[in-house]
Amino acid sequence: GENVEQHPSTLSVQEGDSAVIKCTYSDSASNYFPWYKQELGKGPQLIIDIRSNVGEKKDQRIAVTLNKTAKHFSLHITETQPEDSAVYFCAASTYRGTASKLTFGTGTRLQVTL
Amino acid sequence: NAGVTQTPKFRVLKTGQSMTLLCAQDMNHEYMYWYRQDPGMGLRLIHYSVGEGTTAKGEVPDGYNVSRLKKQNFLLGLESAAPSQTSVYFCASRLAEVTGELFFGEGSRLTVL
Repeated sequence: GENVEQHPSTLSVQEGDSAVIKCTYSDSASNYFPWYKQELGKGPQLIIDIRSNVGEKKDQRIAVTLNKTAKHFSLHITETQPEDSAVYFCAASTYRGTASKLTFGTGTRLQVTL
Repeated sequence: NAGVTQTPKFRVLKTGQSMTLLCAQDMNHEYMYWYRQDPGMGLRLIHYSVGEGTTAKGEVPDGYNVSRLKKQNFLLGLESAAPSQTSVYFCASRLAEVTGELFFGEGSRLTVL
């Protein structure tokens, strides 16, 4: 099955700096790559996603890039703010039969310091 | 709208006891999922359902059972709880499409002593 590796497990940046989180996946058939943000005591929430026919997608301060050849994708957060502090999960989805299976990475705890 | 609601939010069990976690969604979603979240292991799929009356096994189904008798509800049962089932459990739902946003509940923290 699909295996998603995520790095780093923890990341500390100063407010205003950029943060980059990287993920690799194993199944070349994966075609959907979402990123979820989990704040303390809450469930994960989708912040951005990308499909395999697109190389990059931006939404204000966040962007995701996808390299299908190398089977890796990354989340970029620019001008970080304290409210960006959270755990971020990448995921990869492969459609098989009647349902797509979403496999999550192990998460990155991002801390934005003042 | 409430979105995805999980009950209870916290529970402490003794080894061997049974319990049921309830997930309810008011978005008319076809697909529902149960995940467990453990430190350093991300979110792992336990069971899922593609519609009312259907269930299927995920990545870590052993020790759990599920039922989807009504479209809006997805129940996760532990028949004989074990300490290894101490975890935070998340329910999620999404529309019946191949890809799309998962909407998560706020989680249920279960401790098995």
